[in-house]
Amino acid sequence: KAGVTQTPRYLIKTRGQQVTLSCSPISGHRSVSWYQQTPGQGLQFLFEYFSETQRNKGNFPGRFSGRQFSNSRSEMNVSTLELGDSALYLCASSLPTTTDTQYFGPGTRLTVL
Amino acid sequence: QKEVEQDPGPLSVPEGAIVSLNCTYSNSAFQYFMWYRQYSRKGPELLMYTYSSGNKEDGRFTAQVDKSSKYISLFIRDSQPSDSATYLCAMVHLETSGSRLTFGEGTQLTVNP
Repeated sequence: KAGVTQTPRYLIKTRGQQVTLSCSPISGHRSVSWYQQTPGQGLQFLFEYFSETQRNKGNFPGRFSGRQFSNSRSEMNVSTLELGDSALYLCASSLPTTTDTQYFGPGTRLTVL
Repeated sequence: QKEVEQDPGPLSVPEGAIVSLNCTYSNSAFQYFMWYRQYSRKGPELLMYTYSSGNKEDGRFTAQVDKSSKYISLFIRDSQPSDSATYLCAMVHLETSGSRLTFGEGTQLTVNP
């Protein structure tokens, strides 16, 4: 069974731009969560989508948004990029009944210049 | 103060050593505990999952939870160079849905041949 895939793997943007990251969960997984990983803050929860609805949200500004499609694929968008948004963005998927057992993708490395 | 504290290391041990990795947490509402391993340029992978106080063993890995002390540990026996990675503890809060993991900062481990 294929794992969680994320595209693109690497991205370079400049301040003020916006970016969209994509995540395809493991087949059969309907919950998709997003995390931001930085050296100073570690892994921090952004939000979770289940059946196309945002079910849980972390403490990030409104510039960070996401959505989920009917095939469970998810995208996250960051608008008006800031230098501090440089991070590894990780997507994780899980089965509906065991959402605490999450399987992570390889991440998208975003660099904001 | 962070909800989950984990010594970031780095920790360097010789091959064959017993490794002890630890996390403390402040909120007794954390009820489910996991250990993830993250290799460089990869996403985290789930190693161990526990929900009750006591020990759980899986091969060379033992996860230990002490809810009364709010302290969890991961022991690696007969450590191998392939165990060199960052180890992250993660927890799930009972008052939120299971999809929201709260992570420690991660401990970077190097096992020297």
